[in-house]
Amino acid sequence: AQSVTQPDIHITVSEGASLELRCNYSYGATPYLFWYVQSPGQGLQLLLKYFSGDTLVQGIKGFEAEFKRSQSSFNLRKPSVHWSDAAEYFCAVGEYSGYALNFGKGTSLLVTP
Amino acid sequence: ETGVTQTPRHLVMGMTNKKSLKCEQHLGHNAMYWYKQSAKKPLELMFVYSLEERVENNSVPSRFSPECPNSSHLFLHLHTLQPEDSALYLCASSQTGAYNEQFFGPGTRLTVL
Repeated sequence: AQSVTQPDIHITVSEGASLELRCNYSYGATPYLFWYVQSPGQGLQLLLKYFSGDTLVQGIKGFEAEFKRSQSSFNLRKPSVHWSDAAEYFCAVGEYSGYALNFGKGTSLLVTP
Repeated sequence: ETGVTQTPRHLVMGMTNKKSLKCEQHLGHNAMYWYKQSAKKPLELMFVYSLEERVENNSVPSRFSPECPNSSHLFLHLHTLQPEDSALYLCASSQTGAYNEQFFGPGTRLTVL
């Protein structure tokens, strides 16, 4: 069965610092991977996705993620964090033509001045 | 309207009330989903409709009753809820057979007194 682990429940970074959020998955075949962001009181917004091809994917708001098959990881990165990036971040794994997305428990990002 | 919309955004109801949540997608998708998001828990998939047929029902109590009259609209009918049903209810849509990239609405914050 698919599963997703986000090891960090909370992360605090200073504005302007770099960010890396970790995501590990367990899945037998090539996974389809997503990162979503949720601001307080809002739904989930898709940041980026990986289906195949180049293992470094670019997303919205200056985010990128790298798929590493050998480490079963899909970590999210941003070179310089802005205060508006404070939110909850969810990693998810799905399969082609399936319905379910398996979500991690999320990482809450706090940005300090 | 664009994307996925949900009404109402906030709902307070007593345990004996009957209410309904509404979701509408303006993306031309053919699959729709209900998720429950509780504090400190991963997103829980409740129901999936594909081409207006229910295809998944993840052991959800019968006090939650979904309805999908067409591919653009999804309802969640609520009756005799419990306080532990208080949560954020998220609707999503996707195009089947396309890696299941799901687009989310802003959610309905439900409080059961």
